[in-house]
Amino acid sequence: AQRVTQPEKLLSVFKGAPVELKCNYSYSGSPELFWYVQYSRQRLQLLLRHISRESIKGFTADLNKGETSFHLKKPFAQEEDSAMYYCALTPSDDKIIFGKGTRLHILP
Amino acid sequence: EPEVTQTPSHQVTQMGQEVILRCVPISNHLYFYWYRQILGQKVEFLVSFYNNEISEKSEIFDDQFSVERPDGSNFTLKIRSTKLEDSAMYFCASSDQGWDYSYGQYFGPGTRLTVT
Repeated sequence: AQRVTQPEKLLSVFKGAPVELKCNYSYSGSPELFWYVQYSRQRLQLLLRHISRESIKGFTADLNKGETSFHLKKPFAQEEDSAMYYCALTPSDDKIIFGKGTRLHILP
Repeated sequence: EPEVTQTPSHQVTQMGQEVILRCVPISNHLYFYWYRQILGQKVEFLVSFYNNEISEKSEIFDDQFSVERPDGSNFTLKIRSTKLEDSAMYFCASSDQGWDYSYGQYFGPGTRLTVT
């Protein structure tokens, strides 16, 4: 079954502290993995994708096929990082399967 | 930067009524999608649309749902006879790289549908 699991509904982190949002996936093939972010009162937007190995707004995510994980990390949290983060995978067809999301709350 | 737009932002309807949710995808995009998010739950795929036909649909997308691209710019989702459980946020998305899944999709701001 195709599934994305984000075990934390809410993660509170102090400003300046490291952030790690966990994501595990279940998929038998080679999925494309993404992180989407939704800031307050804004639309869902693509944050980063595993294939490009990019760093966006200081966030990175490494695909670990052995652990079927795609955790999102940032070394130093900023207040503007407060948002809802969704891990997602695209299987071989053209839909996105989302996790339930993790609300990241950055404490001052 | 071009964006996907959706109207209305909030729609209230009575059970059994038909609703049409409208989306204007990004102009050069060819692949269109509808998702929904029931309050407190995950975003769920409903349907994808390419070349004027449905590419894929989920089990949620039953005979009560239909999609259309009536005029080359709008992309609509119709629910024929709404049920209470259709209450959700409905997101439209579009992509210009449907054949290359690694590019992701661009989402609209959503329409909140409330069925009473």
